[in-house]
Amino acid sequence: GIQVEQSPPDLILQEGANSTLRCNFSDSVNNLQWFHQNPWGQLINLFYIPSGTKQNGRLSATTVATERYSLLYISSSQTTDSGVYFCAVEGTSGTYKYIFGTGTRLKVLA
Amino acid sequence: EAQVTQNPRYLITVTGKKLTVTCSQNMNHEYMSWYRQDPGLGLRQIYYSMNVEATDKGDVPEGYKVSRKEKRNFPLILESPSPNQTSLYFCASSPAGGLEQFFGPGTRLTVL
Repeated sequence: GIQVEQSPPDLILQEGANSTLRCNFSDSVNNLQWFHQNPWGQLINLFYIPSGTKQNGRLSATTVATERYSLLYISSSQTTDSGVYFCAVEGTSGTYKYIFGTGTRLKVLA
Repeated sequence: EAQVTQNPRYLITVTGKKLTVTCSQNMNHEYMSWYRQDPGLGLRQIYYSMNVEATDKGDVPEGYKVSRKEKRNFPLILESPSPNQTSLYFCASSPAGGLEQFFGPGTRLTVL
């Protein structure tokens, strides 16, 4: 089945710094989403981005489907950005199974 | 408010005692799914449903059952829970397979 790898696994930033999180996937995908899991365990939708580029405030994402990767950019990080960031993909096999990466744990220091 | 709800949010039970975790969505979504989250393993899909009476296995279906008799509800059934099913469980829904998923708040289950 499709494999999803995220990097880096852990990231510590000073407040105000920028960062780039990466999601690599091993096969063609129909769907790719980025989520933020906050310290209370809640999963928050960030982007639905099977291809192209989207921006939402300080966050933006780019998926290059032909090269099988997606990037999540966080600019001017804040302590509230702390948590775990997951990407999830659905392959093109038509089964509608979703595969999550193991996440990037981000800690933003004040 | 459009949302996915799960009940209970927290549950401690004992090995072998059947339990059901309910999931309901009010967005008229066709697709619903269950995931479990374990440390170091991310989220893994247990079962999904494309529509009423249509369910299929995800990556970790062993020890679980589901049913989809109504569009809005997708309960997860553990007929004989075991300690290795201690986990954080999420339900999700989507307008259709392949589209953006929306997650419930999670159910933290402990099986003693």
